[in-house]
Amino acid sequence: DTGVSQNPRHKITKRGQNVTFRCDPISEHNRLYWYRQTLGQGPEFLTYFQNEAQLEKSRLLSDRFSAERPKGSFSTLEIQRTEQGDSAMYLCASSPGTLDEQFFGPGTRLTVL
Amino acid sequence: GDSVTQMEGPVTLSEEAFLTINCTYTATGYPSLFWYVQYPGEGLQLLLKATKADDKGSNKGFEATYRKETTSFHLEKGSVQVSDSAVYFCALDLDSGTYKYIFGTGTRLKVLA
Repeated sequence: DTGVSQNPRHKITKRGQNVTFRCDPISEHNRLYWYRQTLGQGPEFLTYFQNEAQLEKSRLLSDRFSAERPKGSFSTLEIQRTEQGDSAMYLCASSPGTLDEQFFGPGTRLTVL
Repeated sequence: GDSVTQMEGPVTLSEEAFLTINCTYTATGYPSLFWYVQYPGEGLQLLLKATKADDKGSNKGFEATYRKETTSFHLEKGSVQVSDSAVYFCALDLDSGTYKYIFGTGTRLKVLA
């Protein structure tokens, strides 16, 4: 069990570009969450997967954001036409479903210039 | 709506001092409550949790009691160490089936030797 991993750890992009982040949850965790954390704030929920099904999306997740979890394993979060307001830490967490505890990855820090 | 309110930081203490970080919540239903800790350069780690009223969570000398009557989950430690310097987040999971978290804004603790 190596924990939740996220790649890349840092991403710098120019406004208008597309970016994609990857999350590898702890194996056999059927629940997967994405959160966004801005400086000085707590993480905010973005979206939730149970296995491969995306069951909930926050209003924070505009049409420019899309997330997938093919085959119920790793997940990707794509942001199209990035804006400076998208600059944040994007956190992924997984849970086995038998516990209410979530296990967090180290995050991907996005900077949009 | 559902929310978590934490005392603002930073909190600066001398080693071996007593620590209290206040956390209150507003929620419908019966959420579980959590304290997560984020050490510099690391991801969020679960510190302790409580799943029902009057439960006490404890770990590494930290304690918090789920108080339904005051809707609080204050974090305490009798004697802090320099190694406790971190950001502490209070969170609840909505009893909604997805168990997504709502976080407080975090409280930065700095312990001086």
